[in-house]
Amino acid sequence: EPEVTQTPSHQVTQMGQEVILRCVPISNHLYFYWYRQILGQKVEFLVSFYNNEISEKSEIFDDQFSVERPDGSNFTLKIRSTKLEDSAMYFCASIIPGSTLNTEAFFGQGTRLTVV
Amino acid sequence: TQLLEQSPQFLSIQEGENLTVYCNSSSVFSSLQWYRQEPGEGPVLLVTVVTGGEVKKLKRLTFQFGDARKDSSLHITAAQPGDTGLYLCAVDNYGQNFVFGPGTRLSVLP
Repeated sequence: EPEVTQTPSHQVTQMGQEVILRCVPISNHLYFYWYRQILGQKVEFLVSFYNNEISEKSEIFDDQFSVERPDGSNFTLKIRSTKLEDSAMYFCASIIPGSTLNTEAFFGQGTRLTVV
Repeated sequence: TQLLEQSPQFLSIQEGENLTVYCNSSSVFSSLQWYRQEPGEGPVLLVTVVTGGEVKKLKRLTFQFGDARKDSSLHITAAQPGDTGLYLCAVDNYGQNFVFGPGTRLSVLP
């Protein structure tokens, strides 16, 4: 069964360092998302990506964050200078829109980012 | 104000009991999804409901979409410890992103 894969599963980084989180969405999917979930809190939307550009981003997704799909398969989230409060689980998701009434998102297993 | 609210926030019950959790909004949606998330894992889709009043069953889980498509419920019959997890509802925000509710954390004790 096709699945969204994320690497690494866990990353520990020092404050101020850059990190790149990687995702391989399901191959025929068209929309890609990054979400984060701080421990014990809700799943928060960061950014959506379609047709090689950002289609929407939340207030959380500030200038420290960037996304790209460099080779048509990988979808990456870069955090330029990590802060302690960036520690969270980061989830990648992808969808292939069915009808406008019935879209379903498939999530990866997540990357646990710990900033120390 | 949150787009989606879920209740209760926490629920701890004994194995074999029945339970219902709720997802509410003041907005109307074309569809609504329920996900289950286990610790350290990503959300896993359980069901999508589309039509107002729709009822879907998945083994011991029954999902209902409100007639006005503003709310939904998840009923679990004879809960088992394997049902333990965070139950999230989510809506497609006009094709731009999925917005999640805060979740109901269910604990089923053996």
